[in-house]
Amino acid sequence: KQEVTQIPAALSVPEGENLVLNCSFTDSAIYNLQWFRQDPGKGLTSLLLIQSSQREQTSGRLNASLDKSSGRSTLYIAASQPGDSATYLCAVTFTGGGNKLTFGTGTQLKVEL
Amino acid sequence: EAGVAQSPRYKIIEKRQSVAFWCNPISGHATLYWYQQILGQGPKLLIQFQNNGVVDDSQLPKDRFSAERLKGVDSTLKIQPAKLEDSAVYLCASSLGGIYEQFFGPGTRLTVL
Repeated sequence: KQEVTQIPAALSVPEGENLVLNCSFTDSAIYNLQWFRQDPGKGLTSLLLIQSSQREQTSGRLNASLDKSSGRSTLYIAASQPGDSATYLCAVTFTGGGNKLTFGTGTQLKVEL
Repeated sequence: EAGVAQSPRYKIIEKRQSVAFWCNPISGHATLYWYQQILGQGPKLLIQFQNNGVVDDSQLPKDRFSAERLKGVDSTLKIQPAKLEDSAVYLCASSLGGIYEQFFGPGTRLTVL
C-alpha cells in the first residue's frame, strides 16, 4: 500500500531556530513530491515541488530534499519566524497511482517569540 | 491570475440532509480534483476529472456522494444524505494536467449535526 508518513505530528521551537520536518513514503516509484502549508481554516498553499529526477528545491528560507531510494524527504526552514506557524503537509504522486496526491497527516509547527 | 474558487466557505446541516459544493478551477486547467480532509488528517482524494471525464473515483462513497464537471470547467460535489462522519473540509484543486503541480482552493468546511 502506498502511504506517506510525517514525523513529528507537532513541533514547537523558539524564534530564530533552524528546523527540519520529515516525510517518508513507502514506494520509491514516484513522479514528484510536494510540500504544502495549511493555515487554520484555510486551504493549502504549495511551497515546493520536487520532481523525481531532482534532489532538492529551494525557495527563500525553505529547502526541500528528496531521497527516493530511502523513501524520504525533508523540509528545512532556516531562521524560523512566528509567521511560519502552520501545519506542513507532504504529498506524493506515486506512479501507477492515477496521478493523485497521497498526503501525510502533517506536522503542526508553532514558532514562539 | 485568479486562483481556485469554492463556495460556500462554511455549511452546517442536519444528518440525512443534502448539501452541494461548487468549485471553479484556474482558467485553462484541464484536471480538477475533490479532496476530503477530516480533522487531524491529510486530504484524501475523492474524485479526479480530466476535462469533463472521470479519471479516478475509487474512494468516492457512491451511495451518497456524486460529482459532475459540466463543460470541463466548473464542478459540483453533492452529498445526499449526509452522515455525521461526513463532517470535514472539502478541498477543490486544479492542475494543467495529471502530474503537474496542483493548486488548491480555500475549501468548504462542512459540519453535520
